[in-house]
Amino acid sequence: DGGITQSPKYLFRKEGQNVTLSCEQNLNHDAMYWYRQDPGQGLRLIYYSQIVNDFQKGDIAEGYSVSREKKESFPLTVTSAQKNPTAFYLCASLKDSGANVLTFGAGSRLTVL
Amino acid sequence: EDQVTQSPEALRLQEGESSSLNCSYTVSGLRGLFWYRQDPGKGPEFLFTLYSAGEEKEKERLKATLTKKESFLHITAPKPEDSATYLCAVQAPQAGTALIFGKGTTLSVSS
Repeated sequence: DGGITQSPKYLFRKEGQNVTLSCEQNLNHDAMYWYRQDPGQGLRLIYYSQIVNDFQKGDIAEGYSVSREKKESFPLTVTSAQKNPTAFYLCASLKDSGANVLTFGAGSRLTVL
Repeated sequence: EDQVTQSPEALRLQEGESSSLNCSYTVSGLRGLFWYRQDPGKGPEFLFTLYSAGEEKEKERLKATLTKKESFLHITAPKPEDSATYLCAVQAPQAGTALIFGKGTTLSVSS
């Protein structure tokens, strides 16, 4: 079955360490997105990519970096510059035509110790 | 600035007690309004897309409606399995194809 795979499901990090969250999709979708979700908050956009080798900053890009070298993959690096990285991270993708419905992965929960 | 506001933040219902969730939005050039359901610790699951005022869509006990300023998610005779957080989002030109989300309404249905 086609879908979006995020890994790891849970990740613990010490302060000052960079971590990379993986997002892979086999839906042949063109666009991919990273959102952050905090308790009692909606989803906030970190970065998005409409095509390979191109990406744009969202509302809260500071302290994060991404790459889009392959259509299927959109990894997110949480750097030590992110002041409050503990959160639930969601990756999504979209077929850039048709119904414009974002499909989400199951999420990755990052905890900074 | 484009915004999405959902109310109430939390809603507790008895099984069979119908109610509505509200999503008000201010967007320049609405391209679509989306409703998602999210269970704890999981990714959001798509429910509906609405594109123009007056449009309605239904799925089982859920019905979504859209006006020029807000959308309602009506829940008829809810069951405990309807308990979840319901997220509203809009697609606006300045964010490309990304969605702008509200904070959600957490629904609890007790038997």
